[in-house]
Amino acid sequence: DAGITQSPRYKITETGRQVTLMCHQTWSHSYMFWYRQDLGHGLRLIYYSAAADITDKGEVPDGYVVSRSKTENFPLTLESATRSQTSVYFCASSATGSGNTIYFGEGSWLTVV
Amino acid sequence: AQSVTQLGSHVSVSEGALVLLRCNYSSSVPPYLFWYVQYPNQGLQLLLKYTTGATLVKGINGFEAEFKKSETSFHLTKPSAHMSDAAEYFCAVSPGASKIIFGSGTRLSIRP
Repeated sequence: DAGITQSPRYKITETGRQVTLMCHQTWSHSYMFWYRQDLGHGLRLIYYSAAADITDKGEVPDGYVVSRSKTENFPLTLESATRSQTSVYFCASSATGSGNTIYFGEGSWLTVV
Repeated sequence: AQSVTQLGSHVSVSEGALVLLRCNYSSSVPPYLFWYVQYPNQGLQLLLKYTTGATLVKGINGFEAEFKKSETSFHLTKPSAHMSDAAEYFCAVSPGASKIIFGSGTRLSIRP
């Protein structure tokens, strides 16, 4: 049971570079999410997707791009990384929308220098 | 707008003592409510959730939470703390849409 996997787990990049965080789930869940976790802010939703080719903005989408060409993959791209995007990023998935358990990946630690 | 407030960013209890982590929410519709736990360097795991029915919800590892609509609360309790309970705990609300909103978290420390 592979579940939900994120890569890379750890990344250091320079300001202005493009970075893509990968997320893959093996459950065929319809919904997928990207959160960032920062001290004092808990988890904040960046983008989510209800199905392949359907994405929507969350609470903090600026500076991020997502795509979902296949149900199982939901990559998150930082088009031009900034230091304020240094964070831990969590991908998650859920079978359906509200009321269903959200399952989280183990996180991607991103440092922008 | 929906929101979640966790009272106390850090709670410390002695081993064997009662654990009480407080969560209040605001929602314009009957919500789904969750508690998640995060151990160091890991993702979040579901502890328990309330959707409908019985307002006292039992979860894993001896935790339980009670949905009190009149108080808009969903506090998490455990009768006797164990060292392995040390972690970050997040309350969350799903107001009926596809999103889930998390509180800012409470770090639980256990004193020997």
